[in-house]
Amino acid sequence: DAGVTQSPTHLIKTRGQQVTLRCSPKSGHDTVSWYQQALGQGPQFIFQYYEEEERQRGNFPDRFSGHQFPNYSSELNVNALLLGDSALYLCASSSPWDGYEKLFFGSGTQLSVL
Amino acid sequence: SQQGEEDPQALSIQEGENATMNCSYKTSINNLQWYRQNSGRGLVHLILIRSNEREKHSGRLRVTLDTSKKSSSLLITASRAADTASYFCATDRNNAGNMLTFGGGTRLMVKP
Repeated sequence: DAGVTQSPTHLIKTRGQQVTLRCSPKSGHDTVSWYQQALGQGPQFIFQYYEEEERQRGNFPDRFSGHQFPNYSSELNVNALLLGDSALYLCASSSPWDGYEKLFFGSGTQLSVL
Repeated sequence: SQQGEEDPQALSIQEGENATMNCSYKTSINNLQWYRQNSGRGLVHLILIRSNEREKHSGRLRVTLDTSKKSSSLLITASRAADTASYFCATDRNNAGNMLTFGGGTRLMVKP
């Protein structure tokens, strides 16, 4: 049973560019959340997708957008990249079978903005 | 902003010793969870304690919750070198796993 998978593992972009990160949830999970983790800090909630719609959003600008597909996989898009967007981006999925309480995380995408 | 704050920020102990990490938070919660992260990669769920619970055990882990003080502690007994990792507390305010708010983490090093 594959866990949460994220691609790519590492990514280098320059300021002003756009990036798309991808996530496949754990089998049986229908909800995907995205978190940003800056170096030396805890993860911060970006948004969550359920039934192909954004259900909740954290304190992130509109440059951050997402999508969820019918197979529950998800994408995170960041436009007009800033140096401060450099971080580890984590995808997490959750299941109705345990009330969506527990998150299963992927290994993340390390984004470097130069 | 981060809801929880862990204390200490870093902890170094010898194998076999116990490790205690503390977490404080600001608002009311429905549950509090602890996660572990190895080498800056994915987080792994360790244990969840609900707001109406005071203590919970899972293997070598013991978690306590004091809602009056808005604080929690994680105790790892008989630590092993493999326990070396960062540990984060996360609070869930609406009990649906919708939006976990993480603290800054405690970096634990267990020396063999």
